[in-house]
Amino acid sequence: DIQLTQSPSSLSASLGDSVTITCQASQDIRNYLNWYQQKPGKAPNLLIYDSSNLETGVPSRFSGSGSGTDFTFTISGLQPEDFATYYCQHYDNLPSITFGQGTRLEIK
Amino acid sequence: QLQLQESGPGLVKPSQTLSLTCTVSGGSINSVSYFWTWIRQVPGKGLEWLGFVFYRGNTSYNPSLKDRLTMSVDTSKHQFYLKLASVTAADTAVYYCARFCSGGNCLVGGVRSWGQGTLVSVSS
Repeated sequence: DIQLTQSPSSLSASLGDSVTITCQASQDIRNYLNWYQQKPGKAPNLLIYDSSNLETGVPSRFSGSGSGTDFTFTISGLQPEDFATYYCQHYDNLPSITFGQGTRLEIK
Repeated sequence: QLQLQESGPGLVKPSQTLSLTCTVSGGSINSVSYFWTWIRQVPGKGLEWLGFVFYRGNTSYNPSLKDRLTMSVDTSKHQFYLKLASVTAADTAVYYCARFCSGGNCLVGGVRSWGQGTLVSVSS
């Protein structure tokens, strides 16, 4: 099975900061990597698909990059509504998928 | 707009079977483009994919749970189902039903439609 290692597990930052989260796959997953945001009590929301494509309606301060085994997710200019938990998810081994462990982003 | 709604008991006794239903509205469950899926989240923890069920009944399960999982679909009722046998307290979680694009006229790979989630507690 392909494992995803997401880091850090938690992160503190201030409004306006830029933050980066990484997701490392245990083997080559091409660009089949998505990123989600989850707020407390809510279902996750897809932000980035196929490593770097912004989902419709998602602000451009969110971005993603990477291919193969190493991926990054960046928020440039943190807004109050961005404080949440973020997950990566791969689908290179359909019909199964895997999520990363999550990164909790908190206000400093 | 597609809507998914989980339903089922909120409390299950240890060693019993957890059973949930997901009702699909605002879209067709009979689509070759989608897998219907269950994902759970233990309180305070991350997301865990449980499995897929295709509208024809084909299934794929998380290897760590496959011995206890059964997923099925009833297209006439626009519903799909989750059964998890021999539950323990470790199965206490919010269970989400969702739709995953597998190909065709949608963007493959992401979960774009989710139910609101239902908390199932395992306790005697």
